[in-house]
Amino acid sequence: QVQLVQSGAEVKKPGASVKVSCKTSGYTFTDYEMDWVRQAPGQGHEWMGRIKPNSGGTHYAQKFQGRVTMTRDTSISTVYMELNRLTSDDTAVYYCARDRMGSYEYWGQGTLVTVSS
Amino acid sequence: DVVMTQSPLSLPVTLGQPASISCRSSQSLVYSNGNTYLNWFQQRPGQSPRRLIYEVSNRDSGVPDRFSGSGSGTDFTLKISRVEAEDVGVYYCMQGSHWPYTFGQGTKLEIK
Repeated sequence: QVQLVQSGAEVKKPGASVKVSCKTSGYTFTDYEMDWVRQAPGQGHEWMGRIKPNSGGTHYAQKFQGRVTMTRDTSISTVYMELNRLTSDDTAVYYCARDRMGSYEYWGQGTLVTVSS
Repeated sequence: DVVMTQSPLSLPVTLGQPASISCRSSQSLVYSNGNTYLNWFQQRPGQSPRRLIYEVSNRDSGVPDRFSGSGSGTDFTLKISRVEAEDVGVYYCMQGSHWPYTFGQGTKLEIK
């Protein structure tokens, strides 16, 4: 069965960076693009960007350009999302979600990132 | 970006009664291939979103048949024929026809 397992919760200080992992299993890693979506407390879902696991190509939301980096390691079927220069506004649950035909059938369990001094 | 507007934002429902959630998009969700990539998700507290419906009206495996989706163009609806206690949560529509994908604000369903 398809599984997306994310790394654990993080607490960071303003200005720091965070790197969240999403380990996949149950399907061919390079066959599906992976998106990152975040949900701040009491807020809606916000699309951050996409990585193509076969090529490593990425596409980021304009809001996060220059501050986010998505990478992958095909040897362990894992994608990563690194966000730099954190502020309190980045406190949110971060999800990886597998894209297929304009939809997300599979999601990671979410990673809470708390930014606090 | 395509704006997705849901209503109502809060939906108190009596057990066994029907419920309906509306989702409107700021532009047509008909993709160039003729498909419409409108999805519905359920999210319970502390859980990831669970997809219920994709491409407007296709129910995911394991989703009870009391859930149904309909609509076209810019107007879409999720209906629950008879609400059960396990249906409590927040429901989101999401469009995947235009880049970037965007979500509605969510509708919180609660039992009266």
